[in-house]
Amino acid sequence: DGGITQSPKYLFRKEGQNVTLSCEQNLNHDAMYWYRQDPGQGLRLIYYSQIVNDFQKGDIAEGYSVSREKKESFPLTVTSAQKNPTAFYLCASSSLGTDTQYFGPGTRLTVL
Amino acid sequence: QKEVEQDPGPLSVPEGAIVSLNCTYSNSAFQYFMWYRQYSRKGPELLMYTYSSGNKEDGRFTAQVDKSSKYISLFIRDSQPSDSATYLCATDRDDKIIFGKGTRLHILP
Repeated sequence: DGGITQSPKYLFRKEGQNVTLSCEQNLNHDAMYWYRQDPGQGLRLIYYSQIVNDFQKGDIAEGYSVSREKKESFPLTVTSAQKNPTAFYLCASSSLGTDTQYFGPGTRLTVL
Repeated sequence: QKEVEQDPGPLSVPEGAIVSLNCTYSNSAFQYFMWYRQYSRKGPELLMYTYSSGNKEDGRFTAQVDKSSKYISLFIRDSQPSDSATYLCATDRDDKIIFGKGTRLHILP
């Protein structure tokens, strides 16, 4: 059963704590992406990676970090430097050379 | 001007009606356009994609691109309550997808 999984679905953290969101795909896609979605803001690109051990900043990378040690995995760390971390986080993947991205179910992060 | 603009709605229509969802884009070089559907608290799912101009039909859904006016549309025929969702238009730029903010659609039974 191919797809993208994100865990957990809901996550609560205290202010000042770092938190890591998981994203795994078994679609054999080379490229992976992290987006943040806020009400009325649409999807904003945080980071993306087109190949293992390489990644690029998106439009709103400040306060976030990523790693891409395996093709299947692209975890996102929300650091304490992120001013407003409460949001819905979406991971996506695509094959290189195609424009179609496939999304995971998302993680809703609430920082208390 | 934002690269992709979309009216956020909400748009409420009675069941069975034809729905028209629209976006405008700023760059005439954009060639590839997508529509995603997102149910509440779920990830977006690709609904349709089109290259360049013209229409593409898939069941009750028709995607239309008018490059002369930089306008893209999604039509839903015989709308159903299960079509109630947020619809996002998107295009690609430099290996990245640019999304509209989404239009919330409510189909009233």
